Parts: sequence; structure tokens; C-alpha cells
Amino acid sequence: DAEITQSPRHKITETGRQVTLACHQTWNHNNMFWYRQDLGHGLRLIHYSYGVQDTNKGEVSDGYSVSRSNTEDLPLTLESAASSQTSVYFCASSAETGGLSYNEQFFGPGTRLTVL
Amino acid sequence: QKEVEQNSGPLSVPEGAIASLNCTYSDRGSQSFFWYRQYSGKSPELIMFIYSNGDKEDGRFTAQLNKASQYVSLLIRDSQPSDSATYLCAVNLSGRSTLTFGKGTMLLVSP
Repeated sequence: DAEITQSPRHKITETGRQVTLACHQTWNHNNMFWYRQDLGHGLRLIHYSYGVQDTNKGEVSDGYSVSRSNTEDLPLTLESAASSQTSVYFCASSAETGGLSYNEQFFGPGTRLTVL
Repeated sequence: QKEVEQNSGPLSVPEGAIASLNCTYSDRGSQSFFWYRQYSGKSPELIMFIYSNGDKEDGRFTAQLNKASQYVSLLIRDSQPSDSATYLCAVNLSGRSTLTFGKGTMLLVSP
């Protein structure tokens, strides 16, 4: 069965370190997204990609980067981790919609990141 | 005005009752609307989507959309304790290809 996986599921790191969170999907979806979820803020979009070599900034992209070298993977990198980046991170994917607005997103299990 | 607003709750209903969850959005041109359910410690999962005015039913769930009033609601009939979760409203705001999520409403169904 197709799925979307994230690794690691839990990560503790120190301030200033570079951290990469992995996201892998076997849906063959063109669209992939990274969100963070915090109490009081809900899900906020960090970065997204509509295909290989395409990346776009979301509403909270500062301090994060992504790259898309193949269809299946969209790793999220925290260049220099800060305590404010302690959060739960979700990756999601959706199929190409050809310009239609319907775009159901399927979510991965999440990564809980703690920055000390 | 926030782009997608939900009452954070918790909304408490007894087992067997109808739970009504509401969501308002800022952009009259928004096209499609989604309801996700998220259990504590888990990832969001899609329950329903709707993009035409009116009602859409799927089992115990009914989504209602009123574009003129800019709100979308989710009704859960015969609520069960297993429905206890946070319900997220997501909207394709016009001019955007991404989804904007509300903060979610926590639903508690008591036996």
C-alpha cells in the first residue's frame, strides 16, 4: 500500500545544530508539503513543492530549507536549530490537480523535534 | 480577521447527540473546504471535502457550506466516544494553491 513516512519520529538536538527531517512518499504524488503544529497556532505551512526541482516558501519559512531531487522525497533542513523551532512537524502529499482546487492532502505520522 | 477561524472548544456532547462544528473563512472567493480529524498524538486524516453550497453527507457526517455567509460546518450524528478528537477546518483561499488550516476544535463525547 502507498504511504508517507517520516523519520526520525522523535529528535532531540541542541541550539545551533543543523537538523534534517526526512519525508518519503510512495503515492507518486507531485505535491509535497511541510507543516509545523504548535499549541495555539494550529498547522502552519513551512515549505512546499509541486514537483522535482520546485520549492516554495510557506508562511513560516525562516530558518528552514527544502530541496526536491526526486518525486518521493522532500527533506526539511533546519539550518541552525533554535528553541523556537521545537514543534511537531508533519509532511503531507497530494496528487496533481491540473489547476482544480480540490487537493486532498495525506499526512505522514509526524516528527516531534525538541531543541534544547 | 483571521483567515480561517474555529472555536477552540472543547465542545462537549453526550454519546448519541449531534455535534456541530463550525468554521468561518475570510475570503469570499475560496473554492474548496476540508474537514480533518486529528486524534491526540496522531496526524490529521481527511473526513470530508466540499466545494458546492449546500450539504454533503457521508455516513454519520454532514458537511454544510454557505459561501455567501462564508462558513462551513461539520455535523456528526449519533456521536460516539471514538469521535473525541480535534477537528481541523482547511480552506483553499482564493489565489492560493495551498490549504490554510484553522486552529481546530476539540470535541469530547462522553459515554
